[in-house]
Amino acid sequence: GAGVSQSPSNKVTEKGKDVELRCDPISGHTALYWYRQSLGQGLEFLIYFQGNSAPDKSGLPSDRFSAERTGGSVSTLTIQRTQQEDSAVYLCASSFQSGGATDTQYFGPGTRLTVL
Amino acid sequence: EDQVTQSPEALRLQEGESSSLNCSYTVSGLRGLFWYRQDPGKGPEFLFTLYSAGEEKEKERLKATLTKKESFLHITAPKPEDSATYLCAVQKYNNNDMRFGAGTRLTVKP
Repeated sequence: GAGVSQSPSNKVTEKGKDVELRCDPISGHTALYWYRQSLGQGLEFLIYFQGNSAPDKSGLPSDRFSAERTGGSVSTLTIQRTQQEDSAVYLCASSFQSGGATDTQYFGPGTRLTVL
Repeated sequence: EDQVTQSPEALRLQEGESSSLNCSYTVSGLRGLFWYRQDPGKGPEFLFTLYSAGEEKEKERLKATLTKKESFLHITAPKPEDSATYLCAVQKYNNNDMRFGAGTRLTVKP
């Protein structure tokens, strides 16, 4: 079946502009995660959605970052007033949470964001 | 503080030269340890999950092992197509995210 898809694959924006990144998870996966991968660094957790529960926003680096998930499926990560340090690859992952077991996260190809 | 450290940062091997990648972790309440492979410009691709010390898993030329402090990814007789960055991640109980190491960039020369 189809994997996790993300769009756009690349985004170049000017400092101060807002951007929206989209993630379409694997069908049937109830959990969705956003990560950020900066050059030469490991993946950094941003936010987690599970079903209709309140999202875990503990990884968001500032209030310029927000995300929503509509209808338990597609998610949008929004970065307001972008800064150059926001330049990174933004990765989305989804998993089928079976409650109690360790759930494997499957990743999309990422969106490479460049802030000029 | 929870930490995941991978070594070496980069590894260059000749085709057929076996070696091991290390992932050391300090995490309280380990739920699972994950290995991923990441090719340039792509998202991480799932390889293995290990749950408890002593567990081993194999896939083609790769074998992952786990102790209470570290995990190894053994690569036997690697081929150029095994060149990639290998990522290790841990997940804790009562935690929603995974904490990743910085990765090991493997290059296999023909």
